[in-house]
Amino acid sequence: QKEVEQNSGPLSVPEGAIASLNCTYSDRGSQSFFWYRQYSGKSPELIMFIYSNGDKEDGRFTAQLNKASQYVSLLIRDSQPSDSATYLCALGVGNQGGKLIFGQGTELSVKP
Amino acid sequence: DAGVTQSPTHLIKTRGQQVTLRCSPKSGHDTVSWYQQALGQGPQFIFQYYEEEERQRGNFPDRFSGHQFPNYSSELNVNALLLGDSALYLCASEGGPLTDTQYFGPGTRLTVL
Repeated sequence: QKEVEQNSGPLSVPEGAIASLNCTYSDRGSQSFFWYRQYSGKSPELIMFIYSNGDKEDGRFTAQLNKASQYVSLLIRDSQPSDSATYLCALGVGNQGGKLIFGQGTELSVKP
Repeated sequence: DAGVTQSPTHLIKTRGQQVTLRCSPKSGHDTVSWYQQALGQGPQFIFQYYEEEERQRGNFPDRFSGHQFPNYSSELNVNALLLGDSALYLCASEGGPLTDTQYFGPGTRLTVL
């Protein structure tokens, strides 16, 4: 089993809809979780991080964490064509900083 | 506020050669991590440097080595290049030992022929 799993997609949603991206992980000891957005040919850009169970909202983005079920999700409200990108889920490993373990990413396509 | 910078942007090498990639962290950051991202995959952790020491290492052979300088900038060296080393090499920085939020540079695209 991979440490971090994401559906590779592509996930296609119409403009204005809610896009839901999901990620499951295997390490129950993981404490920090990150969502990065990566446009084609570019480097990953941090969107959100979440440490505690529940929801965390930032503008049109909401991260949800459920440690008991070992999943983290990202909701994008009012999706725009500019949101079309690959979304990477990552786990922080280790105390006081450490490596990130990434999923393979989910490709999102927002159709006008 | 300068972000993470990397050089060069693109690089073409042949098998067996050696390459050095460079990274300057975001202002105020003192920890640098390197990742390799193959096409269609998520980034894979190579190693992390803090206080000029390799603090953590991923599952990469000894051909991959690094260094961190007193100004926190870092180098990634790869010896005896293989075709499979072709990838986007990403540098990420974070501030201090009590945070693990990493910010990525633009990357170096390495092509091995």
